[in-house]
Formats: sequence, C-alpha cells, structure tokens
Amino acid sequence: QQQVKQSPQSLIVQKGGISIINCAYENTAFDYFPWYQQFPGKGPALLIAIRPDVSEKKEGRFTISFNKSAKQFSLHIMDSQPGDSATYFCAADRGGADGLTFGKGTHLIIQP
Amino acid sequence: KAGVTQTPRYLIKTRGQQVTLSCSPISGHRSVSWYQQTPGQGLQFLFEYFSETQRNKGNFPGRFSGRQFSNSRSEMNVSTLELGDSALYLCASSPAWGDEQYFGPGTRLTVT
Repeated sequence: QQQVKQSPQSLIVQKGGISIINCAYENTAFDYFPWYQQFPGKGPALLIAIRPDVSEKKEGRFTISFNKSAKQFSLHIMDSQPGDSATYFCAADRGGADGLTFGKGTHLIIQP
Repeated sequence: KAGVTQTPRYLIKTRGQQVTLSCSPISGHRSVSWYQQTPGQGLQFLFEYFSETQRNKGNFPGRFSGRQFSNSRSEMNVSTLELGDSALYLCASSPAWGDEQYFGPGTRLTVT
C-alpha cells in the first residue's frame, strides 16, 4: 500500500519557469511533511518541511503548499535554474513513530 | 558541523555472505535511522535507533538488524545476502527522536 503518492514521475521546465510537484497522502496521522532533493551519487538533502498547522511555507525560491482537507501538499520551485535539476522526494512522518514514508520521486530537468 | 558519514561507500558481496555498514551521525545528534533505496521500491524505512534502543522497525526480514553505540554511531548488518539486497543504504541522523532527518551519502551494496 503506497501511503504517499507523488506526481509527476518526470518533469521538464524551462529556465526561469515554475516547477510544481504534487503529493497526496492517505494516513491522517501524518504530522510532518518534508521535501528532499537528491543529486546522482548523493544522499537526499532536506529542502523544506511543513507541519499541518500552516497552509504554506516559503524558503527562498522553494514553497510548500499544504491542503489538510484534501490530504495533499505540493512543492513549488520559482525561477527554476539548471542547478535545480535533480530528483525530488516528498515524505510524511507520523510523529517519528515509524520512519519517513517517501513518495516515488520526481525527476526534474530544467532546460537552459 | 560535519555531516553524516557512512562507510564504506561501495561494497561488493556474494550471495549468502553477511555485511556490516557503519554510520556516524552529525555531532550532537542522538537518533539514527536507516533506509534502503532501490529503483523499484524507492526509499524504504528499515529502523531507527535512539539512545542505543531500537525505537521502530520497518517491514524488512529479520536478516536486517542494527545497533547503536553510546556515542550515537550506528551499524546495520545484513546476513545471508540475497541478490535483491543490492541497493543504496542510507543513514539519516536527527537531533532527537521524531526530529528532522539529515541523510548521509549512502553505501552502495552490490550482491553478486
């Protein structure tokens, strides 16, 4: 049972555009939603995270939008740059009870 | 602060053998989690240790085990290796149980 569904699997965006990646979850007990960025040959790097008590969090060019009633959250990358080309994973956690549950990942390519 | 370090970075083993992987968390972090990353299954939680105690465990067979030492360093062991155990094994450290997780570069295990 896939508890966190991530889409799209791959995404191509022009430089300067907005990249949007979506995730949906099933377990209402999840209370922490991080996004990770992974480059080839590297471990995932924590990008930004949100908890359900807020609907939006922004850090630089990265924004998380959270919709608790729809059980969905998304990552927006503004002014996308070629250096943003990587695989992005959404995840969810249930108070540290059983580790992070990850989405399947989105391979993002920013074309110059 | 130095990041999470994992040793070795690459490992080739034969089916039936056992393997031990090591993880040193970020200084001051007391919680260590382990994840398996494969192209087919994505990122899956193995187990988490806090204060030398296993706090929770993912859905993996008993061949996968781990431990944490008093200095928070952790090891995971896989016995009777199978071809399907070939994966990137990632260690993540947190300041405390349930906090944000920071990943190391991983150990690439190949079973032949």
